[in-house]
Amino acid sequence: AQSVSQHNHHVILSEAASLELGCNYSYGGTVNLFWYVQYPGQHLQLLLKYFSGDPLVKGIKGFEAEFIKSKFSFNLRKPSVQWSDTAEYFCAVNSRSGGSYIPTFGRGTSLIVHP
Amino acid sequence: GAGVSQSPSNKVTEKGKDVELRCDPISGHTALYWYRQSLGQGLEFLIYFQGNSAPDKSGLPSDRFSAERTGGSVSTLTIQRTQQEDSAVYLCASSLVTGSEQFFGPGTRLTVL
Repeated sequence: AQSVSQHNHHVILSEAASLELGCNYSYGGTVNLFWYVQYPGQHLQLLLKYFSGDPLVKGIKGFEAEFIKSKFSFNLRKPSVQWSDTAEYFCAVNSRSGGSYIPTFGRGTSLIVHP
Repeated sequence: GAGVSQSPSNKVTEKGKDVELRCDPISGHTALYWYRQSLGQGLEFLIYFQGNSAPDKSGLPSDRFSAERTGGSVSTLTIQRTQQEDSAVYLCASSLVTGSEQFFGPGTRLTVL
């Protein structure tokens, strides 16, 4: 079965610091990759996604992620974080199984940004 | 348009009771998912409906858990004989088609006393 590892469970940064959150999944085949974010008191929402094409994808609020197939990785980056980026971040992999995609989420990374 | 809605938002029940949690997906979305979110555990996939196909129940933790989706729209997750370890936030999500981005509801926080 697919598994998704997020290496950092808790990250604390100061504003303007750079961010990189790691995400690795266990096996290849056809996958769709996602990062979701949950701001305090809000629903989970999509940050960015990768299906095919350019492995460097850009999402909302200045976030980007790079798909490296050989490393089974989809790391999330932002050059300069803001206080409003404080949230829980989840990496998700949809793995093709027959005619459908089965979703697997990582455990999440809690990001706290100090002003 | 309206997003995914879930009811109730909070449910407190006694051990051994049955509970039903409801999810209204976004209109036109063919795929519907249920997850369980426990503190520090991420999202645990429970069950997945795609169109009129048989649901993928591979994530259900025990036979006390079941779900149905009527008319390809509203879904109900039922937990029978609840246990304290069932306490968690239950999230529902829908997507336009299988594999595409999911839109999440606000969740139902279940507390089993």
